[in-house]
Amino acid sequence: NAGVTQTPKFRILKIGQSMTLQCTQDMNHNYMYWYRQDPGMGLKLIYYSVGAGITDKGEVPNGYNVSRSTTEDFPLRLELAAPSQTSVYFCASSYPNRGRSNASNSPLHFGNGTRLTVT
Amino acid sequence: GENVEQHPSTLSVQEGDSAVIKCTYSDSASNYFPWYKQELGKGPQLIIDIRSNVGEKKDQRIAVTLNKTAKHFSLHITETQPEDSAVYFCAAHPITTNAGGTSYGKLTFGQGTILTVHP
Repeated sequence: NAGVTQTPKFRILKIGQSMTLQCTQDMNHNYMYWYRQDPGMGLKLIYYSVGAGITDKGEVPNGYNVSRSTTEDFPLRLELAAPSQTSVYFCASSYPNRGRSNASNSPLHFGNGTRLTVT
Repeated sequence: GENVEQHPSTLSVQEGDSAVIKCTYSDSASNYFPWYKQELGKGPQLIIDIRSNVGEKKDQRIAVTLNKTAKHFSLHITETQPEDSAVYFCAAHPITTNAGGTSYGKLTFGQGTILTVHP
């Protein structure tokens, strides 16, 4: 298995441009997530999805959109890039544990990230 | 929502020494506490985790302790080696159950600790 694959690895955007960060996983995980990582701030959840056709906002969703048309793919869209979106973006996936009220997800599997600079 | 504080932000040790990283969390409903290691240019990778029904877990040179009353948990690395040099993140996991009965959650990460092990 390739695991979680993110493309591109690096990108420089001008203010106001748009782009899509691609993420695909081949582990048949139901759950997928997008995080951004800023220096000294840890990882912040942008959006997540519990299955194809279902998405929901995380902690910092403003300026981003997502879609989940298949189990494998979870692209992140920036419509009008702003300097505040300069960051490293990580996609992750995991299994759910079903039917147990005190259960939690399997560990997150992360991709290697996309470094985005907006100038 | 959940808030996770991690200390120290940087930690420098000599090879063979022990390293301890501490985290506190705010949501008493959290019951899953993973630790991730991030090497340069890579995504975070799970190294150890602990659930709230145990107080300590050990895996070779790595151990994690949890004090649910005080809402803090710690990562202990013994006999450190240069290859332990990386950024370490703690996280906490509040459980959410939807109408369908499936349990899932969204990790809240600490700010990260840059560990440097000098040969």
